[in-house]
Amino acid sequence: SYVLTQPPSVSVAPGQTARITCGGNNIGSKSVHWYQQKPGQAPVLVVYDDSDRPSGIPERFSGSNSGNTATLTISRVEAGDEADYYCQVWDSSSDHPYVVFGGGTKLTVL
Amino acid sequence: EVQLVESGGGLVQPGGSLRLSCAASGFTVSSNYMSWVRQAPGKGLEWVSVIYSGGSTYYADSVKGRFTISRDNSKNTLYLQMNSLRAEDTAVYYCARDRDYMDVWGKGTTVTVSS
Repeated sequence: SYVLTQPPSVSVAPGQTARITCGGNNIGSKSVHWYQQKPGQAPVLVVYDDSDRPSGIPERFSGSNSGNTATLTISRVEAGDEADYYCQVWDSSSDHPYVVFGGGTKLTVL
Repeated sequence: EVQLVESGGGLVQPGGSLRLSCAASGFTVSSNYMSWVRQAPGKGLEWVSVIYSGGSTYYADSVKGRFTISRDNSKNTLYLQMNSLRAEDTAVYYCARDRDYMDVWGKGTTVTVSS
């Protein structure tokens, strides 16, 4: 089965840039989606199809995907960005389609 | 307003059954892929099941043969029938509209499997 690997934690000072990676075998050939989840809340889509933003998501959130690594970049980090972030893909390599989530990365704003 | 509201969670004994519901508003469930995703306490997101607009259904290996996803088009509602529940099924269960990415999520309903 397809595996997505994220760092457990990333720390960044306010105003700096946070980069959260999502590793997977030839992930560059897949569409990667990113979710933000704050404690006690449902996940919120922040980036879809590698680099597109849903309406209402600040331009500070961006994404890229190439080779074996996808990256969520949060520019000018704010205290309110502190949350867990998950990457997600659809995998069709097995006998049926399968949604795969990364293990999640806790973003701490110092 | 596009919205999903889950219900049906609760405390159930191991081996028991529970049916979760997910009522949709602002869009048509049967015209979309719909997924269930769960999150065990302190853990990450785990996909559970999907139903395609055409009716095909797929499951995570961890629930295959025990859980059944379905929908009632007249009620615009998604369901998850959960049988033979185990302690490891304890989680918050979310329903989501699935367009390859999940753009609409409910607030979740909590399932606790314990004696």
